Amino acid sequence: EVQLLESGGGLVQPGGSLRLSCAASGFTFSNYAMSWVRQAPGKGLEWVSAISGSGTNTYYADSVKGRFPISRDNSKNTLFLQMNSLRAEDTAVYYCARELPTDYSSVIDYWGQGTLVTVSS
Amino acid sequence: SYVVTQPPSVSVAPGQTARITCGGNNIGSKSVHWYQQKPGQAPVLVVFDDSDRPSGIPERFSGSNSGNTATLTISRVEAGDEADYYCQAWDISDHPYVFGTGTKVTVL
Repeated sequence: EVQLLESGGGLVQPGGSLRLSCAASGFTFSNYAMSWVRQAPGKGLEWVSAISGSGTNTYYADSVKGRFPISRDNSKNTLFLQMNSLRAEDTAVYYCARELPTDYSSVIDYWGQGTLVTVSS
Repeated sequence: SYVVTQPPSVSVAPGQTARITCGGNNIGSKSVHWYQQKPGQAPVLVVFDDSDRPSGIPERFSGSNSGNTATLTISRVEAGDEADYYCQAWDISDHPYVFGTGTKVTVL
């Protein structure tokens, strides 16, 4: 059974940092690209960042580029999101998600339960 | 970046058909995925690549995509279908991946 378990969320002051982790199990982690998707309170889904299975290629939304480096440790089946220079507008539930390649595209087929990040003084 | 729009809300009576649209410039050239999200829960994939269903998703959920509009159709709507629905337009050249604005489906 595929499981994605996020951790590392919490309350942080503006300008501060947090590191999110996502422990993956139930599949061969290194074979899959992974993404982070966030959802501000009462708002819609916003894709944040993605990383290829090998970790070679990374992608970012403009809103976090230069502030939230994504990485992974395939030996530990773990995905990371280092969140720096946090702003109030970064407040959201952050979901870890697995990307499944299909015949035509790539689709998020599994999501974690999310971890809440609150940026406030 | 690419913009995808959805109606904020759709209301439907039990047993009827709900249609949720997802609009974008030439979205028919992209693969569209649909996710269902119930309050307090993570999203669940219900349709991918315009019209394919993951295992375990009822046949009542179907999708289409052409021109500037993709559509998720929920037939024989049940109370348990009440949720927010998000489309996602995927194209290999698109980074960031784009989610639609979301549609709240209310079962009357």
